[in-house]
Amino acid sequence: DSGVTQTPKHLITATGQRVTLRCSPRSGDLSVYWYQQSLDQGLQFLIQYYNGEERAKGNILERFSAQQFPDLHSELNLSSLELGDSALYFCASSVAGSRGTEAFFGQGTRLTVV
Amino acid sequence: AQKITQTQPGMFVQEKEAVTLDCTYDTSDQSYGLFWYKQPSSGEMIFLIYQGSYDEQNATEGRYSLNFQKARKSANLVISASQLGDSAMYFCAMRFQGAQKLVFGQGTRLTINP
Repeated sequence: DSGVTQTPKHLITATGQRVTLRCSPRSGDLSVYWYQQSLDQGLQFLIQYYNGEERAKGNILERFSAQQFPDLHSELNLSSLELGDSALYFCASSVAGSRGTEAFFGQGTRLTVV
Repeated sequence: AQKITQTQPGMFVQEKEAVTLDCTYDTSDQSYGLFWYKQPSSGEMIFLIYQGSYDEQNATEGRYSLNFQKARKSANLVISASQLGDSAMYFCAMRFQGAQKLVFGQGTRLTINP
């Protein structure tokens, strides 16, 4: 158990819909990262939050947004869903700012858009 | 460009044999971190081992060791005495200087045969 909790584990929804994925980081970790894993793109970094502030942005679509709340949990919002958004979405957390800190991953949310 | 390359899409190994999974990287940074993750068929990403670019000793974690050759820009994962439960996808990842996100290789699917 990595200590990073993601909910839900599975999500099936229709095109055009909006979903919210939730992540609780490990106790003490201030940084949260979101990654998308798809068959064609592999593992891609989406966005990072550190202590409530957006720190870095990767290949995140405009239809996607995220936030980190005062209790440090994070949510990834995906809207106007398309078939191509079907993927495994991971949240990871680490103690940002320290060189050599591991990034621990949650179990992922498998999103299927039908 | 900062890139991670795993040249072995798949490997088949007999149980109890040692196995080496290749990873090369491309960066001009002096400070960076190298990670290996295991992804079993259930989907979760499991952190295995970390090597910092300034670490003089190769990292070891139980049956896992990292063969770090800085001049060659390679960070191969060695699994000793392989077990059936080692069958999984293995990803090499890198955290580049000044960045917190991880950049992943394409992965190697390891199959351990009884």
